[in-house]
Amino acid sequence: GAVVSQHPSWVICKSGTSVKIECRSLDFQATTMFWYRQFPKQSLMLMATSNEGSKATYEQGVEKDKFLINHASLTLSTLTVTSAHPEDSSFYICSGYGQGKNIQYFGAGTRLSVL
Amino acid sequence: KQEVTQIPAALSVPEGENLVLNCSFTDSAIYNLQWFRQDPGKGLTSLLLIQSSQREQTSGRLNASLDKSSGRSTLYIAASQPGDSATYLCAVGRGGGADGLTFGKGTHLIIQP
Repeated sequence: GAVVSQHPSWVICKSGTSVKIECRSLDFQATTMFWYRQFPKQSLMLMATSNEGSKATYEQGVEKDKFLINHASLTLSTLTVTSAHPEDSSFYICSGYGQGKNIQYFGAGTRLSVL
Repeated sequence: KQEVTQIPAALSVPEGENLVLNCSFTDSAIYNLQWFRQDPGKGLTSLLLIQSSQREQTSGRLNASLDKSSGRSTLYIAASQPGDSATYLCAVGRGGGADGLTFGKGTHLIIQP
């Protein structure tokens, strides 16, 4: 398999602040990275798809100005939740896909709590 | 829009039983279907991947089947063990590996020792 590292695993922040989540592919080059979120008792929902060096493609209903995604290298993608509010509290998880791989490899996820 | 449904939402059985988890999807035009395991505080572990042209895949005590035309998949777990306790997720891929997955809500499985 392949390893995707995601940090932090848990973050608590005040309303109005910004939070950055990192996703790193440790042993492969992730040409594409995906960001998902999961609200309690709901399914994982795709938020956006990012290809290295390109702007991310956001799913319908996901605010691109609120959820900033950067994928500047083949091993690192970041998701920044800007001006976070309590309704952004959720479980965020990334996955990477790269050459020679036939599936996505997932990080451990980040639980965000906005007070 | 693709929708994935998993039944049951929760299941608790004694150790040693064989069990079946169900997954259904509304759009049969899928590229592949995956079963994942999700443990609390951890990421997703891919258990089985079935390409759209395949009917089933097996790995150890796990067997997954796919009936694309009827929009159904089942995950069969033989001789269940307490270590199998986790949430099992079904996800369908709409394109190649570089496309996002559509997940069901999962089945929360508890195996009683």
